[in-house]
Amino acid sequence: QQQVKQSPQSLIVQKGGISIINCAYENTAFDYFPWYQQFPGKGPALLIAIRPDVSEKKEGRFTISFNKSAKQFSLHIMDSQPGDSATYFCAANSPTSGTYKYIFGTGTRLKVLA
Amino acid sequence: DAGVTQSPTHLIKTRGQQVTLRCSPKSGHDTVSWYQQALGQGPQFIFQYYEEEERQRGNFPDRFSGHQFPNYSSELNVNALLLGDSALYLCASSLDRQGTQYFGPGTRLLVL
Repeated sequence: QQQVKQSPQSLIVQKGGISIINCAYENTAFDYFPWYQQFPGKGPALLIAIRPDVSEKKEGRFTISFNKSAKQFSLHIMDSQPGDSATYFCAANSPTSGTYKYIFGTGTRLKVLA
Repeated sequence: DAGVTQSPTHLIKTRGQQVTLRCSPKSGHDTVSWYQQALGQGPQFIFQYYEEEERQRGNFPDRFSGHQFPNYSSELNVNALLLGDSALYLCASSLDRQGTQYFGPGTRLLVL
């Protein structure tokens, strides 16, 4: 019940295309869902985050779509660029109920072809 | 404004040894969480420190211990190192226990 399932494991997109990464969770107590971008040898960097009271959040080329009833959320990267090539992790926790640790997905390795 | 910093960047140890990793949180942050990231995996929560006490712990043995200092910096100690402890150790800081966590660059530990 604590798992966050992430797919696909890897993704190849042409420059200018849309990259879509999906995550699903079971624990309905989760109420905070961040996405992180990680380059090789670096720590994860926060991209964008959402709470379940909204269905979509957009920041620049990055959009999170959230479906509370399906317990799914996804990251869309519009106009994907070669510099977006990295590993992306979704995560979840429930700070309002006192569970502060992040549960991470298994990661999606994105490669954007020039 | 300095972000989260960690030291050392890389470390090589042998089985059975002990290691100490260090973390300085982002300016203004008072909470530090530690994660272990094995190669090709997502980070796994080790524990969280707030007000100089361990507040939450993940599924790690008590060989893993930590400390938080009055200036909010933190240490992660691992005793009796095993080969399986080889990983990237990440420190994350947050404004408070509920806040968004910001990660440091990590310490790459190799146990031979």
